[in-house]
Amino acid sequence: AQSVTQPDIHITVSEGASLELRCNYSYGATPYLFWYVQSPGQGLQLLLKYFSGDTLVQGIKGFEAEFKRSQSSFNLRKPSVHWSDAAEYFCAVGLANTGNQFYFGTGTSLTVIP
Amino acid sequence: DGGITQSPKYLFRKEGQNVTLSCEQNLNHDAMYWYRQDPGQGLRLIYYSQIVNDFQKGDIAEGYSVSREKKESFPLTVTSAQKNPTAFYLCASMLRVGHQPQHFGDGTRLSIL
Repeated sequence: AQSVTQPDIHITVSEGASLELRCNYSYGATPYLFWYVQSPGQGLQLLLKYFSGDTLVQGIKGFEAEFKRSQSSFNLRKPSVHWSDAAEYFCAVGLANTGNQFYFGTGTSLTVIP
Repeated sequence: DGGITQSPKYLFRKEGQNVTLSCEQNLNHDAMYWYRQDPGQGLRLIYYSQIVNDFQKGDIAEGYSVSREKKESFPLTVTSAQKNPTAFYLCASMLRVGHQPQHFGDGTRLSIL
């Protein structure tokens, strides 16, 4: 079955520490990939996207993600976390041949401690 | 500024009552989507529409209905048949051309009185 997996339900990091959020997908073709961030009671904001080309993509707020085809992964990273990064993070996969439907992971909640 | 407006922000429903959630976009996007978000379950697709006057069921369409009479509007009705409607509802839209991201509104939280 098609799926998007975010294995970490909750992550806690210290401010200034590095961050990596994991995302794995299982689809036949190379999908197009996204990371979104959601603050409590808000909608989702796009952090970055990957369609093709360079497998390391840069996004807003200092985030980056790397697409690894061999591992079917698209992990999100940030070198130094700020307290304002505390939020819920969602990985999403888009498939053009399914009416542009997106499939979302269950999210990773990030807590940042001083 | 262009964007997606969902209203109201909070909505309360009595047992047996239908309620309608509004979603309006001025991004000139072709496709629009409704998602339901429950804690720990991510986003689940309720309905989507790629063009005016056409829409398709998503994974959890039972108890919901939609219409797409105008490009910029995609209202969602939560009917009395939806037995567990308490959730956070998100509307999204996107361009159909190319590998575009979905853009989201700020959501409507529906609760049962």
